[in-house]
Amino acid sequence: DIQMTQSPSSLSASVGDTVTITCRASQSISTSLNWYQHSPGKAPNLLIYSASRLQSGVPSRFSGSGSGTDFTLTISSLQPEDFATYYCQQSFSPPITFGPGTKVDIK
Amino acid sequence: QISLKESGHTLVKPTQTLTLTCDFSGFSLGTNSEGVGWIRQPPGKALEWLALIYWDDDKRYSPSLQSRLTITKGTSDNQVVLKMTNMDPVDTATYYCVHRRYFYDNFGRARDFFDPWGQGILVTVSS
Repeated sequence: DIQMTQSPSSLSASVGDTVTITCRASQSISTSLNWYQHSPGKAPNLLIYSASRLQSGVPSRFSGSGSGTDFTLTISSLQPEDFATYYCQQSFSPPITFGPGTKVDIK
Repeated sequence: QISLKESGHTLVKPTQTLTLTCDFSGFSLGTNSEGVGWIRQPPGKALEWLALIYWDDDKRYSPSLQSRLTITKGTSDNQVVLKMTNMDPVDTATYYCVHRRYFYDNFGRARDFFDPWGQGILVTVSS
């Protein structure tokens, strides 16, 4: 199985900050990497697919980059609704696997 | 607009079989390229992919749980059923039904992602 790691596991930030979350795969997954946002009490929400493609309806302050084993999710100008947990997910090689999550909370 | 909703027993006893139903609208599993999956999240833990079923009845399972899982189409092309046998307290989790989408990678192969997700159903395993 391809193992996904994320760093940091949690971070504190303020509204308006730019935050970057890193996801690393245990082997190359090309650009088969997706990002989800999970707020408490809500269903997870797709943000980015194929490493850098913004899902329709997702604010442009979210962006993704990377290929191979290293990927980043960047949130520019953090908004109150962005405080949540973020997960990466690979679908390059079965089984599908998720990262452990990065919790973004309010400083 | 696509929506999915999970239903089933929310309290099961150890060793029992869990049966979850996903009813969805906005697409049909009878349509080429469509798929529905299940993902769970134990309290305080990360997301874990369980199973996927495709429009052509192809099925994929998490290797670690494959012996306990069965995913099938339901009574219509707008329903999917997941069964998990021999439930244990460690299986306590919120179970999500998800719509499978895909993109083509640089190798021309379809790669899955999930959008949207159902609201989830919390299943507790306890005697």
